[in-house]
Amino acid sequence: TQLLEQSPQFLSIQEGENLTVYCNSSSVFSSLQWYRQEPGEGPVLLVTVVTGGEVKKLKRLTFQFGDARKDSSLHITAAQPGDTGLYLCAGVTGGFKTIFGAGTRLFVKA
Amino acid sequence: SAVISQKPSRDICQRGTSLTIQCQVDSQVTMMFWYRQQPGQSLTLIATANQGSEATYESGFVIDKFPISRPNLTFSTLTVSNMSPEDSSIYLCSVLRQGANYGYTFGSGTRLTVV
Repeated sequence: TQLLEQSPQFLSIQEGENLTVYCNSSSVFSSLQWYRQEPGEGPVLLVTVVTGGEVKKLKRLTFQFGDARKDSSLHITAAQPGDTGLYLCAGVTGGFKTIFGAGTRLFVKA
Repeated sequence: SAVISQKPSRDICQRGTSLTIQCQVDSQVTMMFWYRQQPGQSLTLIATANQGSEATYESGFVIDKFPISRPNLTFSTLTVSNMSPEDSSIYLCSVLRQGANYGYTFGSGTRLTVV
């Protein structure tokens, strides 16, 4: 069974702090997606990374795909209360199946 | 990207009853996907709904429990039948995004509580 492990499961930080969320697997993925989900809403796609070693930036968010395409990280600089939410990673296998991690719940205190 | 309207947004249901969830997409799509999101767990694909054919169910999910309709290219329903408290969850419909940023667009979800 292919699994995506996300860590930490829960993170509570002060506004202005930096943080990194990790997404790890023993499987290789053809691409990996990051979503943010707010209460009462569905997940919203933030980014898709495709190439091993790829780095993408979205304002204060930096996404990296591992060289072996088995893991990924999301780094947030100077977190703001608006960053609060559930962050999900999802890997696409060679058979075009999408596997979701259980998510990291982030709470940013003002 | 597509916009999905999902309803109801939440419901509290008695065990043994059924609930039908509706999803309307603002553009024609070949496939619609139904997911379940249980607290603290990853999103799990229930089935893929294709217009004009039977839905394809994932392991552990059966048509008698989760019948799906797909009458046209913009609409689908998922019914949760003969509900038990274990069916309490968030149910999400989704479609594949077009373009370079491969991924899914999701509806806002239906939070189901079975009592």
